[in-house]
Amino acid sequence: GESVGLHLPTLSVQEGDNSIINCAYSNSASDYFIWYKQESGKGPQFIIDIRSNMDKRQGQRVTVLLNKTVKHLSLQIAATQPGDSAVYFCAATQRSNDYKLSFGAGTTVTVRA
Amino acid sequence: DTGVSQDPRHKITKRGQNVTFRCDPISEHNRLYWYRQTLGQGPEFLTYFQNEAQLEKSRLLSDRFSAERPKGSFSTLEIQRTEQGDSAMYLCASSLVAYEQYFGPGTRLTVT
Repeated sequence: GESVGLHLPTLSVQEGDNSIINCAYSNSASDYFIWYKQESGKGPQFIIDIRSNMDKRQGQRVTVLLNKTVKHLSLQIAATQPGDSAVYFCAATQRSNDYKLSFGAGTTVTVRA
Repeated sequence: DTGVSQDPRHKITKRGQNVTFRCDPISEHNRLYWYRQTLGQGPEFLTYFQNEAQLEKSRLLSDRFSAERPKGSFSTLEIQRTEQGDSAMYLCASSLVAYEQYFGPGTRLTVT
């Protein structure tokens, strides 16, 4: 099975600074990796994904980096805002298991004003 | 709002009672997934449907759990004879592109 884990359970960041959230996965057969944001009382919200044949993908204020050699991915948030305060999950999946998501435990990001 | 809705949002029940949750996916999405999330953890896969066919059930889904998607649209998740260990957030997600799953707000179940 897939094991997905985050490096730090909490991250405190000053408003305006960049945030980096790290994640490790175990299954080298994983095809896709997705970052979700979960605010209190809400379901996970899709942020950005990356395929295993890529090493970087950029979105609006977010960048995901994938290092397949060490089975590591990261989410970078530029110019962190108070609205970025949430729990962030990385998830891994693969076509051979019909894209069932395996989630890590989550990193709680707190933005300081 | 992702377009996936779940009802109810909160449910408090006594141990031994049956509960049923409903999920309405995004209308054109053919896949529907159920996950369970406990405090401080990421969601764990329970089961999923492609149209009306239930394709897989996790071993987390005991015989007390049953899910249906009768017309390939909304889905229900029923838990019979609830136990305190069933207390969790039950999340539904739907997708058209299989790995892009959009989650609903969840149903928080508390078993007393």
